[in-house]
Parts: sequence; structure tokens; C-alpha cells
Amino acid sequence: IAGITQAPTSQILAAGRRMTLRCTQDMRHNAMYWYRQDLGLGLRLIHYSNTAGTTGKGEVPDGYSVSRANTDDFPLTLASAVPSQTSVYFCASSLDRSTEAFFGQGTRLTVV
Amino acid sequence: AQTVTQSQPEMSVQEAETVTLSCTYDTSESDYYLFWYKQPPSRQMILVIRQEAYKQQNATENRFSVNFQKAAKSFSLKISDSQLGDAAMYFCAYRSVNSRDDKIIFGKGTRLHILP
Repeated sequence: IAGITQAPTSQILAAGRRMTLRCTQDMRHNAMYWYRQDLGLGLRLIHYSNTAGTTGKGEVPDGYSVSRANTDDFPLTLASAVPSQTSVYFCASSLDRSTEAFFGQGTRLTVV
Repeated sequence: AQTVTQSQPEMSVQEAETVTLSCTYDTSESDYYLFWYKQPPSRQMILVIRQEAYKQQNATENRFSVNFQKAAKSFSLKISDSQLGDAAMYFCAYRSVNSRDDKIIFGKGTRLHILP
């Protein structure tokens, strides 16, 4: 692994199903983020983690949960998917506040 | 809460010309970082340029430069000698230095078209 990796790359999911989007980084970054990107709405922050063991809510947290058991992994879970959660999801990480965020390649999720 | 506003959903520029993308933000903090990211059709997010709020000098990176007006809370991106490869979605982002919560807030983006 080099950098930050998301899985899966794309997914079609039936409404009501549970889904976990995976995010792993090998840069020992402290901060990690989950965003969703929708046309005309830009990148909206779902949840974030400033360090392992802590998480916080972003702008659009409803219907999503996260955990940060260790530095490298930051999974995003949709407990019961709904069509409005159809989006492209980006995971990002950053070493500290003075540095930029590095992004994964994104996960295109379609809830039908 | 901090907000970032990009008022131009789309812009077009002739190849080799100069274009400026606008970004304004709202914050009560005095120390922060501002970023411009580029997202080409590949969906990859690429850092274009970064500005530290306590630095008066505007950041530059080759053909990319910013006009940072702290009092006006404005952070525009100027692209000189536009190239076809500059066609992308551009996002402005804000990051606090001192707040308890380390969030990175993005604007809605500006889609830039380069006309040959």
C-alpha cells in the first residue's frame, strides 16, 4: 500500500442493506476524513477523526457511523442504506494542520 | 462555523489566457490555512496551492498564484497561460489552526473549461 486506499471502487447496493466503505493509509497520518461528493454540492464532510480513538461529526453525519481503532484505518458504515446516500465517497488523511490532505481514489456508491 | 463559498459554478477560458477563480470564506479565527485543489475527470484530488493566513505574501506555484485578501476573507486562484490539462473542477478549502476540531471545509467547486 502506498498512500491512502479505499475499497471498493464502486458498489451497487440495495436499499436497507448495511455497507462498510474501507479506508486505509500507510503514512501514519493523525487526521482522517470522510467526504461525500454530489453534483452542485461539492465535498461535504461526513465524519472526521483527529487522532486514533477519537471521532467527530461533520456537516452531514446522519445515517453514517465511523470508528478509528488505530492510526491506519477509518471505515465508514451505512447502517441501512437509502437512495439519498448515492454519491461518490472520498476518504482523506493529513499529518497535521499545516499540511494538505491526501485523498483516496473515491468510492462510487449507488443505492437502489 | 466556518463556511467556504465559490460563487462561480462554471467558467471558461481560452487556451493560453489567464483566468481567476473566486473563493470567499467566513471565519472568526485569525490563524488558518487555505487550499486550492484540482479534480480532473479521473476523480483524483490534487493539491494546487496552499496559503498560510499569517503570511502576507501570496503563494505561487508555477502558473498558479493566489490573491489572498485576509480582511476581505477572499482567496482567489489565478491560472496563467491556461493549458488544456487545466480543465477540471477546482475546490477551495479552509482549515483551522487552533480550533479543537480539525476539520477541512470545502466549497462547492468551480468547473473550469479550457477552450482550444
